[in-house]
Amino acid sequence: QQQVKQSPQSLIVQKGGISIINCAYENTAFDYFPWYQQFPGKGPALLIAIRPDVSEKKEGRFTISFNKSAKQFSLHIMDSQPGDSATYFCAASRGSTLGRLYFGRGTQLTVWP
Amino acid sequence: NAGVMQNPRHLVRRRGQEARLRCSPMKGHSHVYWYRQLPEEGLKFMVYLQKENIIDESGMPKERFSAEFPKEGPSILRIQQVVRGDSAAYFCASSPEGNNYGYTFGSGTRLTVV
Repeated sequence: QQQVKQSPQSLIVQKGGISIINCAYENTAFDYFPWYQQFPGKGPALLIAIRPDVSEKKEGRFTISFNKSAKQFSLHIMDSQPGDSATYFCAASRGSTLGRLYFGRGTQLTVWP
Repeated sequence: NAGVMQNPRHLVRRRGQEARLRCSPMKGHSHVYWYRQLPEEGLKFMVYLQKENIIDESGMPKERFSAEFPKEGPSILRIQQVVRGDSAAYFCASSPEGNNYGYTFGSGTRLTVV
């Protein structure tokens, strides 16, 4: 049973465009929602994360939007660049100290020039 | 400060052999996590360890898989009598005590069972 559902599975965006990846969860005990970026042959790298006390967090071109009532959160990549082409994973966890992460299945993003 | 070090990067085993995957956490990190990634799938949690303790092994298959994180040395994920279905990328991550923001992954070990 997938605790975090992610869509779309793949995404193609033109350079300069906005990439949007969506995730949904069911477990209301989740209180930490990170996004990871993974390049081929590499391990995932933490990109940005949010807790439910805020509805949005922005770091550079990357923004997380969080809707607690809908149990959904999304990643927006503004001004997408070819170097952003990677697989993106959303995840969720619970507890004040980080333990197990529940990952979505991933979105393969391709940004073409 | 070297990141999370995993070795070997690639491991080929015949069915029935044992696979031992090693993970050295970042300096100062006392928590280690193991995840498995199958093609076209996300990462699946396997086990969470602190030094000499297993904190959460709810994602570990009941048979053939074991993990340890001794007082000295790297964490080891051990798979006995490997089968083709064990072929996957295995990632280790580490975090410091009291961490509540995120952990750092290694580059993984890609296990192929032939």
